[in-house]
This record gives sequence, C-alpha cells and structure tokens, in this order.
Amino acid sequence: GAGVSQTPSNKVTEKGKYVELRCDPISGHTALYWYRQSLGQGPEFLIYFQGTGAADDSGLPNDRFFAVRPEGSVSTLKIQRTERGDSAVYLCASSPDGGKGIQYFGAGTRLSVL
Amino acid sequence: DQQVKQNSPSLSVQEGRISILNCDYTNSMFDYFLWYKKYPAEGPTFLISISSIKDKNEDGRFTVFLNKSAKHLSLHIVPSQPGDSAVYFCAAIGNQFYFGTGTSLTVIP
Repeated sequence: GAGVSQTPSNKVTEKGKYVELRCDPISGHTALYWYRQSLGQGPEFLIYFQGTGAADDSGLPNDRFFAVRPEGSVSTLKIQRTERGDSAVYLCASSPDGGKGIQYFGAGTRLSVL
Repeated sequence: DQQVKQNSPSLSVQEGRISILNCDYTNSMFDYFLWYKKYPAEGPTFLISISSIKDKNEDGRFTVFLNKSAKHLSLHIVPSQPGDSAVYFCAAIGNQFYFGTGTSLTVIP
C-alpha cells in the first residue's frame, strides 16, 4: 500500500509569507505526527494528532505554527509570517494507533525561507 | 535540552566488520527505544526496537543492547554491508518521541 505522502517536497518562500505543508498518512492510521528537522539535528517533535484532535501540541515553537486534521486523515501544517529560522525539513509520520506504535515517516518537505 | 544523545556524528567501517552505534539518554522514565535508518531525501524508516524490560533484542544482522543503569543503548550491525550506509537515529519514547542527532554510517566496500 501507499506510504506517508508529503507535498510539496520542496517549498521556497520569502520571509513574512504564509505557507501550508500537507501530509497524507497511511490509510487507516489514526495517529499522525509532525516533526521539524534542522540541519545536523534529529527530528524534533511538533504536534501529535489522535483522530481529528491534537492530543499533544507542546512542541509547536510559537503561535505562528498551527496544524489541523479536520477529517482524521490528511493534515496540514500552517506557518504564518515565516522567518529564516523556520527553514528546515518538516517530517510527517503516522502510526496505526499512536502510543508506542512504530511511526512511518514521509520523505518530508524541505522549507527554505529567504 | 537534548534528552537523547548520539555523540558520534559519523562512523566508517569496513564491509564485513561490525558497526556499533551508540546512544545515551537522560530520562530514566523512558521505557521504549527505537532505531531508525535514513537515506538521503527519504524519511526515517524503522529498524529495530527494545522495551526497557529487556536488555537485548535481535533481528537478523541487527542487535540492540540496552543498559538501563548507564542509560545507554547501542546498535550492532554484523556483518556490515555497503547498503547499510545511512544516517541512524536513536529514539526514546516518553510522553512523546525524542530523537538523537543521528550518526552517519559509511560502510566501505
């Protein structure tokens, strides 16, 4: 079956602009995660959805970052007023039921803020 | 504050020899650990895991060892193959997933 799909694969934007990053999880997976990976670092947790609700959003760095999952499948990570420091690879992962389940990752969206 | 640390950013090993990747953690409440492997331009893929009630888990050429008293785990790959060349991330589960910074393994043919 299809894996986790993230679009776009690359996004270049200007400082101050708004961006949306999309994640299509594996069909049937109830848990969805967003991570940010900066150069030379490991993935850093941002937010975790169980179904439609954000079960843990403690990793979102500030209120410019927001994520939704309105129907419990596709999720969108939204970044307002982008800053150069937001440049990173944004990874999405899904798992069948969250908890200690294995997470399956997409290839990520590389965001570059100029 | 980095709760999971991989202090070796890179490692080179000859094909056929053993690769040992190390990981240290600070939070004694972590009770489940995983290793992920990442190729360039791809997302991390799950490799092997271990629960804190065990000290060893083996899957083919891959073995993970856990030393809870030292808060240390290691991944052994034997024999190493050129296709194993990738970045390896250690992860720990507490209230969320915590990843290390990764170790880039190069297996030399």
